[in-house]
Parts: sequence; C-alpha cells; structure tokens
Amino acid sequence: DTAVSQTPKYLVTQMGNDKSIKCEQNLGHDTMYWYKQDSKKFLKIMFSYNNKELIINETVPNRFSPKSPDKAHLNLHINSLELGDSAVYFCASSQEVPTSGGASSYNEQFFGPGTRLTVL
Amino acid sequence: DQQVKQNSPSLSVQEGRISILNCDYTNSMFDYFLWYKKYPAEGPTFLISISSIKDKNEDGRFTVFLNKSAKHLSLHIVPSQPGDSAVYFCAATHSGTYKYIFGTGTRLKVLA
Repeated sequence: DTAVSQTPKYLVTQMGNDKSIKCEQNLGHDTMYWYKQDSKKFLKIMFSYNNKELIINETVPNRFSPKSPDKAHLNLHINSLELGDSAVYFCASSQEVPTSGGASSYNEQFFGPGTRLTVL
Repeated sequence: DQQVKQNSPSLSVQEGRISILNCDYTNSMFDYFLWYKKYPAEGPTFLISISSIKDKNEDGRFTVFLNKSAKHLSLHIVPSQPGDSAVYFCAATHSGTYKYIFGTGTRLKVLA
C-alpha cells in the first residue's frame, strides 16, 4: 500500500496550458507539502498545509495554487505554464509529533515518487 | 541564500569501507536535522535524524554527528554496501515552523 502517491508520474504539456498534479497520503498525517526539484537538483519547499490550512507559501508565483480538500489530499494546480516550471514536483506528508522511542523519527517526512513536469 | 550546503556533489567508496557525507548550515535557529536517501525516479526516504540537544545518533550502520559550534553535521555509513549507492540529502528545520531546508545532495557510489 503506497503511503504517499502522486498522479501523474510524468506530465508533458505546452506553454500556456493549465495542469494539475494530485497527491494523496494514507498515513493519517496532519501536514502535507509540495516541493520543487529543479534542474540543479535543489529541493525547495513551495507550500505546506496543516489540517487543510495553508501555513507556508514560499514566494511561489500565484500561477501555482494548492488545494487541500481534506487532510489526506493536497493537489497542485498550475496556470499558464512556463518553460521554467519544468521540474520534478514532490509531495510529502508528516506528523509533527514525537514517535514512540524518542526523537529519532520526529518530524520525518514521507515523500511521494515525484511528478516530472516538462513544459515545451 | 543557501542555508544548508553539501559541498561534495559526489563520493565513491569501496564496499565495506566507511562513507562520510558532510553537511554545513548557516542558520543557528535550526534545531532538528535529517538525512534522506534518494534513488533515481523515487522520492526521498527518511534515513536518520538528530535533535540539536544531541551530538550523535546511531541507527544500525548509520550514525549522524552534529557539531553545533561548527554548524556542521555528518552522516557515517559503515560498512558501506552497494545498495547504499544513492543521492543523500541533508535537511534542517526549526521545530514548529513546518519548513525544511534541503541541501543539494551528495551522490554516493559504493563500489563492489
């Protein structure tokens, strides 16, 4: 059973189009994230939602709009796609409480497999 | 402004030897650090973490060391195995911010 799933895995589209990436987690976590990994391999946080509320928005163009219909889902909609949006997008989730056994798993994030977006 | 840096983009180690991956950070507010491992075409997976109240955390073959005064952490893998070949990311956060800053990764190749 996949813990964090994303669809689609690959997305190829033309400049100017609008597209969505879906993310679902079945871990019962309260917090979900979107990250972008660009061509230089930087993994940068874009958004974070806690209990369906937006808590982090990292200077992302407003063409990117996250939507969290419930705690288990965080979708990413991108309007008017540009060449520079080409990247791998990762969804992640975490539960911000200590696990039994101490701090070794505190704040650990579970990542989805990524969606490779190519804008032509 | 890259607050978390992994200055070695790649590292090759013989099977059975120790692998040491390094990470430096600049923000003294960071109080929790994590290491992730990433295989091609997969998302990062959590490996080990350390709180700033500790200077060492060990889990099997993996040990993370934290030197707060130097703002430096390292991941030791011993003995290294071919299956450890992957990209390793360090990440740092300030508890309660929900914001994780990742390094650019170090590609580890363990040679059989």
